[in-house]
Amino acid sequence: ETGVTQTPRHLVMGMTNKKSLKCEQHLGHNAMYWYKQSAKKPLELMFVYSLEERVENNSVPSRFSPECPNSSHLFLHLHTLQPEDSALYLCASSQAYRGIAFFGQGTRLTVV
Amino acid sequence: TQLLEQSPQFLSIQEGENLTVYCNSSSVFSSLQWYRQEPGEGPVLLVTVVTGGEVKKLKRLTFQFGDARKDSSLHITAAQPGDTGLYLCAGARNYGQNFVFGPGTRLSVLP
Repeated sequence: ETGVTQTPRHLVMGMTNKKSLKCEQHLGHNAMYWYKQSAKKPLELMFVYSLEERVENNSVPSRFSPECPNSSHLFLHLHTLQPEDSALYLCASSQAYRGIAFFGQGTRLTVV
Repeated sequence: TQLLEQSPQFLSIQEGENLTVYCNSSSVFSSLQWYRQEPGEGPVLLVTVVTGGEVKKLKRLTFQFGDARKDSSLHITAAQPGDTGLYLCAGARNYGQNFVFGPGTRLSVLP
C-alpha cells in the first residue's frame, strides 16, 4: 500500500477511444503529479497541480488533458491517442516543495 | 543531453557482492532523491539528501550527496536478490517542483 492509488492498472484502447485515468491519495498532500515512463527514457513530468495551481510540460500533446477537482483526486483524460503514447503513466503526490514522496503503482497503457 | 546521468546503465552481480551506482549532473540541486522501481510498479522513495557532503545509511544502502550538490552515489553492501530493480535518482532545483529524473541503473542480483 503506497498511499497513492491508480486505476485502472492496465488499459488497452483504440486510437479513436476516450478514456480517463484516475489517481487518489489520502495522505494529506497538496501537490499531485502525472509522469510518463516509456521504455528506455527517463521519467517525464507531464503535469503538476500544487497548491491549486497547475504547471504543465509544454511538450505534452493536447490529447492529454488533466483534471484536479480537489487535492485528493487527479484525472488524466485521454482522447485520440497514438501508438507512441503507449507507456506506464504514474501519478505521484507530495507536500508542496518537499519532494516527491509517493508514487502510485501506475497504469500500463497500450494504444492499438 | 540529459540533465541527470546515471551510471552504469546496467549492472549484473552475484549475491554478496558490493556495488556503487552514480548520479551525475552539471547542475546544482537543492535536494536529490533515490528511488527503487520494480517491474510493473511505481518507484518507491528510498532517501532524500539535501546537504552537500551528506551521507545517509539505510541498512545495507549508503547514500552520499556531493559537496557541490551536483552528484550522488548509492553504495550497496552484500547485495541480495531482493535488491534487484531499477534505481532512479531525481533532482530538484531551486526548491521547485520540477523534479528531473535520471534514466536509471538497472540492477540484477543473481543468487
